[in-house]
Amino acid sequence: SQKIEQNSEALNIQEGKTATLTCNYTNYSPAYLQWYRQDPGRGPVFLLLIRENEKEKRKERLKVTFDTTLKQSLFHITASQPADSATYLCALEASGNTPLVFGKGTRLSVIA
Amino acid sequence: EADIYQTPRYLVIGTGKKITLECSQTMGHDKMYWYQQDPGMELHLIHYSYGVNSTEKGDLSSESTVSRIRTEHFPLTLESARPSHTSQYLCASSEWTGGGTNEKLFFGSGTQLSVL
Repeated sequence: SQKIEQNSEALNIQEGKTATLTCNYTNYSPAYLQWYRQDPGRGPVFLLLIRENEKEKRKERLKVTFDTTLKQSLFHITASQPADSATYLCALEASGNTPLVFGKGTRLSVIA
Repeated sequence: EADIYQTPRYLVIGTGKKITLECSQTMGHDKMYWYQQDPGMELHLIHYSYGVNSTEKGDLSSESTVSRIRTEHFPLTLESARPSHTSQYLCASSEWTGGGTNEKLFFGSGTQLSVL
C-alpha cells in the first residue's frame, strides 16, 4: 500500500543546532515533493518544493534533499531558533495531476 | 491582499444539524480542496475541484457534499452532523499550471467543528 512516513512524531533540539527531519515514502513515484509548516490551530504554510531531478534545494536557513532511489527527503533547519518550533509536513502527489497526499508531520521543539 | 478565508473559525453544533462550512479565495485559483485533520494526524482529502462546475470526491467524501458555482467560493456541507465529524476542516487552493503539477497549496486557517 502507499504510505508516507515522517521519522518521528516529535523532535526536541537545542537552539542553534541543525534540525533534520525525514520523510520516507512507499509505492509512490512522485515527480516532486513539498514541505509545509503548520502552527497549532492553523493551516499549513508552504515552505519548499523539490523536483525529482533536483538533489537539493535551499531557502535561507532551510535545505531540502530528495533521493528517489532511497525514496526519501530530508528537511534541514540550520541555526534553529525557538520560532522554528512547529509541525513540519511533507507532501507529494500519488500520481500526475492528483491532489497532494500528506504525511502526519514531525513536531519540532527548539529549546532556548 | 490575496488570501483564502474560512468561516466560521469555530463551530459547536448538535447531532443531526445541517451545516455549511464556507471557503473563499481572492487569488483567482482554479483548484480548490477540502482536507480534514484530527490532532497529530495527517490531512485527509474530502473533496476537490479543478474549476467551476467541477467537483471530485476524495477519501472521506461519503458524508459531505461540495459545490463550485463561482471560482472564488467552495462551500462544504454536512447534511446531518454526527460526533464522528468532530475535527478540523481545512480549505486550500492552488494555481493551475498547465501541466497540473508543481503547484503549492495555500491554506485557510481552518474551521474547528465540534458535534455534540
